[in-house]
Amino acid sequence: QVQLVQSGPEVKKPGASVKVSCKASGYTFTNYGFTWVRQAPGQGLEWMGWISAYNGNTHFAQNLQGRVTLTRDTSTSTVYMELRSLRSDDTAVYYCVRESELFGVIIFAYWGQGTLVIVSS
Amino acid sequence: DIQMTQSPSSLSASVGDRVTITCRASQGISTSLNWYQQKPGKAPNLLIYAASSLQSGVPLRFSGSGSGTDFTLTISSLQSEDFATYYCQQSYNSPRTFGPGTKVDIK
Repeated sequence: QVQLVQSGPEVKKPGASVKVSCKASGYTFTNYGFTWVRQAPGQGLEWMGWISAYNGNTHFAQNLQGRVTLTRDTSTSTVYMELRSLRSDDTAVYYCVRESELFGVIIFAYWGQGTLVIVSS
Repeated sequence: DIQMTQSPSSLSASVGDRVTITCRASQGISTSLNWYQQKPGKAPNLLIYAASSLQSGVPLRFSGSGSGTDFTLTISSLQSEDFATYYCQQSYNSPRTFGPGTKVDIK
């Protein structure tokens, strides 16, 4: 069965960087893309960006462009999200999501468990 | 980017009630609309995809409808396990934006 296992919680100071990993298993890694979604405390879901596991192509939310990098390692079936120049409002739970397609519609059926990133001085 | 809105932002209901949540897209998205349920401390769970198709394993009391810009999620008879926050999401194009959520709590 599809499993996405993310790395553990992080505490970072403002201005630092964080790199969160998401290891996939249970299917052919390169067949599906990944999206990263974050959720600030008590807030809604924010789409951050997307990476193709096949060729590494990426697309980012405009408000994060220049601060976020998505990469993947096909040898370990792992995707990574790096966020730089952290601010207090980057404090959130970060989710990796494996995309699927059903009847022509992209769906988010498989989610990692989430990684809490706290940015605090 | 396509903007998604939801109404109401929250509602209080009793077990057995019929509950309806509305989602609106800022431009036409055909039926490229998904609904998710999220409980505290958990990742969201897909309920409905393509506006009206029930995800495998989701109870039949959940249903979705709509196309173009206006969509509805209906819970026909609210159960205790349905108290949660519900999000719509458009998958018409990228970025695949979410609505702000509707919190359903106990009256």
